[in-house]
Amino acid sequence: QVQLQESGPGLVKPSETLSLTCTVSGGSISSYYWSWIRQPPGKGLEWIGYIYYSGSTNYNPSLKSRVTISVDTSKNQFSLKLSSVTAADTAVYYCARTIFGVVNYYYYYYMDVWGKGTTVTVSS
Amino acid sequence: QSVLTQPPSVSAAPGQKVTISCSGSSSNIGNNYVSWYQQLPGTAPKLLIYENNKRPSGIPDRFSGSKSGTSATLGITGLQTGDEADYYCGTWDSSLFYVVFGGGTKLTVL
Repeated sequence: QVQLQESGPGLVKPSETLSLTCTVSGGSISSYYWSWIRQPPGKGLEWIGYIYYSGSTNYNPSLKSRVTISVDTSKNQFSLKLSSVTAADTAVYYCARTIFGVVNYYYYYYMDVWGKGTTVTVSS
Repeated sequence: QSVLTQPPSVSAAPGQKVTISCSGSSSNIGNNYVSWYQQLPGTAPKLLIYENNKRPSGIPDRFSGSKSGTSATLGITGLQTGDEADYYCGTWDSSLFYVVFGGGTKLTVL
């Protein structure tokens, strides 16, 4: 059974870079898409972006200038970097295995396995 | 402001049925598949419905999904107190070229 675990600092200073890693266990990172999603306190879900195991990426336009998602297949891990953080980036960050494709011009995108999430607070 | 619109809250008594709506546009719900997620208090979201109406293994058939035009609906029958959670719809937006979510609906089982 595939499991995902987020890891990284729980506290980041304003203007610095948030760095998180998601470790995939119980299965291979290959042949799947992998997403990062965040949830500010008391608010809804916000999609950050995805990476395919081969390295192709796509990001939320509102975060694109600050986000980098990368993958390390040898470690079965993928990572998130978010630069120039502010208090607005305080959130629970989730990683998720993703099924993404298109059939007859209809896209399907869903996250079937989620990590438990990690809280990141941006504060000096 | 979410791209997809959900009611902030719904409520119903145990054993009853409830529906949660998710409204979008032709660039998202109208021409792509919808998924639904359940988020119990203090936990990560969990996939409930994918590709409009399919249930992952282990999801009881009390949960159902449907789509018509630019709207989707999550139905829950035989409500239990354990169903109290936030529910989110999500889909791909072909114009924006990224994933969009609804703002979430809080279900209260009275």
